[in-house]
Amino acid sequence: NAGVMQNPRHLVRRRGQEARLRCSPMKGHSHVYWYRQLPEEGLKFMVYLQKENIIDESGMPKERFSAEFPKEGPSILRIQQVVRGDSAAYFCASSPPGLANYNEQFFGPGTRLTVL
Amino acid sequence: AQSVSQHNHHVILSEAASLELGCNYSYGGTVNLFWYVQYPGQHLQLLLKYFSGDPLVKGIKGFEAEFIKSKFSFNLRKPSVQWSDTAEYFCAVSSSSASKIIFGSGTRLSIRP
Repeated sequence: NAGVMQNPRHLVRRRGQEARLRCSPMKGHSHVYWYRQLPEEGLKFMVYLQKENIIDESGMPKERFSAEFPKEGPSILRIQQVVRGDSAAYFCASSPPGLANYNEQFFGPGTRLTVL
Repeated sequence: AQSVSQHNHHVILSEAASLELGCNYSYGGTVNLFWYVQYPGQHLQLLLKYFSGDPLVKGIKGFEAEFIKSKFSFNLRKPSVQWSDTAEYFCAVSSSSASKIIFGSGTRLSIRP
């Protein structure tokens, strides 16, 4: 059973470009979470999605950031018009269906975004 | 708002020394507690978790943690560390009514062989 997959592992963008980060949850998992880790800090929650639904986006910046988890395909975290402050490691996690509150989240290897 | 404090940013120990990493959280309701580990070049793995029941939780690789509700603490312990325990350790909390996890800033553990 493959783990949570994220691609690309490393992404370099110039200021003003768009960044698209992909996450394929573990097989059978229907809950996806995105976290951001800035240098020297812990992971910060961004958004929690189920298939075709955003459940909690309380950690998402109000502008330029969006996330989706379509019926088919991976979850996408999209950052428009990137700025240097967006440089960070972005981690995706997934958990199985059921009560998400009591399920362990399994983390992917992360995408390291560098904005030049 | 929930928060997690890890007071030690970097801990350096010799092999066979005992380990205790502190973790305090701020939240008034029922919580779920976690310790995650990130070995160099690898992604986050769950060491152990507490949802309910026995406050002394045993995890993988000889780690354990004790939930002390009155102190809002969930310290991680290991009686005898090995060089392979070199990693970054994150304490984390989620409430029973929400699924997002709040992470501490992490403690880097370096073990001298």
